[in-house]
Amino acid sequence: GAVVSQHPSWVICKSGTSVKIECRSLDFQATTMFWYRQFPKQSLMLMATSNEGSKATYEQGVEKDKFLINHASLTLSTLTVTSAHPEDSSFYICSARRLAGITDTQYFGPGTRLTVL
Amino acid sequence: DAKTTQPTSMDCAEGRAANLPCNHSTISGNEYVYWYRQIHSQGPQYIIHGLKNNETNEMASLIITEDRKSSTLILPHATLRDTAVYYCIVPTKSSRLTFGEGTQLTVNP
Repeated sequence: GAVVSQHPSWVICKSGTSVKIECRSLDFQATTMFWYRQFPKQSLMLMATSNEGSKATYEQGVEKDKFLINHASLTLSTLTVTSAHPEDSSFYICSARRLAGITDTQYFGPGTRLTVL
Repeated sequence: DAKTTQPTSMDCAEGRAANLPCNHSTISGNEYVYWYRQIHSQGPQYIIHGLKNNETNEMASLIITEDRKSSTLILPHATLRDTAVYYCIVPTKSSRLTFGEGTQLTVNP
């Protein structure tokens, strides 16, 4: 199977600090990774598309200077929440796109729960 | 993007088959249907996908109607661990997934 990991699984930080979340594809290479956010009792919302070796593409309404994305290798993408505030508290989930023939499938990490005090 | 419609919730008895429907009437000829599920407080799990033929894997079966306007995900012998929100998604050309509300499947003992 295709395994995607995230680290950390949960983090608590003070308001104004920055938090980095790592997303790794463990057994396949992923030129494209995606970052989602999920608030309580809501569905997943795509934040940005992370492409290896190039700038990320952000969804409308997502601040690129606040949510820094780096995809420096084919197996690692990072999301840094800068100057975090309580309203950034959420469940952050990444996915990695795996190509197989003419189709591709996204495999998701277990998620990172961020709590900003 | 092809929009999908799913029932909000469904119940199923443990050991019985769970049949989860999805309507995607605006799907185009080369768009695939993907199914994911999310167990509470976990990342979504890929289940299965298909284009027009029925598909089966170790987790489930996917039945797609001949006109491709709807599909049904079948869990042949549901267990309590299958309780989750199930999402039927037709990705965009850029592979972006749009998650709707999905179907909350509750498997009862």
